[in-house]
Amino acid sequence: SAVISQKPSRDICQRGTSLTIQCQVDSQVTMMFWYRQQPGQSLTLIATANQGSEATYESGFVIDKFPISRPNLTFSTLTVSNMSPEDSSIYLCSVWTSGRAPYNEQFFGPGTRLTVL
Amino acid sequence: GENVEQHPSTLSVQEGDSAVIKCTYSDSASNYFPWYKQELGKRPQLIIDIRSNVGEKKDQRIAVTLNKTAKHFSLHITETQPEDSAVYFCAASTTLLRGGADGLTFGKGTHLIIQP
Repeated sequence: SAVISQKPSRDICQRGTSLTIQCQVDSQVTMMFWYRQQPGQSLTLIATANQGSEATYESGFVIDKFPISRPNLTFSTLTVSNMSPEDSSIYLCSVWTSGRAPYNEQFFGPGTRLTVL
Repeated sequence: GENVEQHPSTLSVQEGDSAVIKCTYSDSASNYFPWYKQELGKRPQLIIDIRSNVGEKKDQRIAVTLNKTAKHFSLHITETQPEDSAVYFCAASTTLLRGGADGLTFGKGTHLIIQP
């Protein structure tokens, strides 16, 4: 398994501002993912962040709104830009652990609970 | 892209009875199917997964079955206990030849309630 931490754990922000969420992993991983979980809903993949390349965004998510950095194999950031109340969600980072099947799997960080007023 | 359907949205069973949650997927390229349990206010936790080269996998009271032809997979929990109460999510993904996998596409979740 992997130990994943996220900062901040929660925040309350004003509309129009931006928040950067950090994700730190205790081991080097190739693939990191960012998900959003809106209140009472399922998880939706925002983007895949690979070190040394641009993040790949899913349909409905754009780089201007959710810029991502991946400076090394243990760290990534997700910025939620120009926030509106509809951005209120839990944002989770996730990693695909290294190794051969069946010993690799996807683990989630504790999440960042964002409330936009 | 992949689409995962999950049923039922809510399932209430008596303690000690079995619970079954069913999912279907649309992309025949998907080959990795995990199940996550999420308790209130906590992160999703992987409870079991199955890859497309096997039809069934069991871990104590939990089992998962996969029918690739029908694009259907199910979670079975036997001898349910109060601590099994949570939201369960199925998901689908494609593992990559170079290692790693695509991100997960999740079902909408099933709220499992264990009645004492």
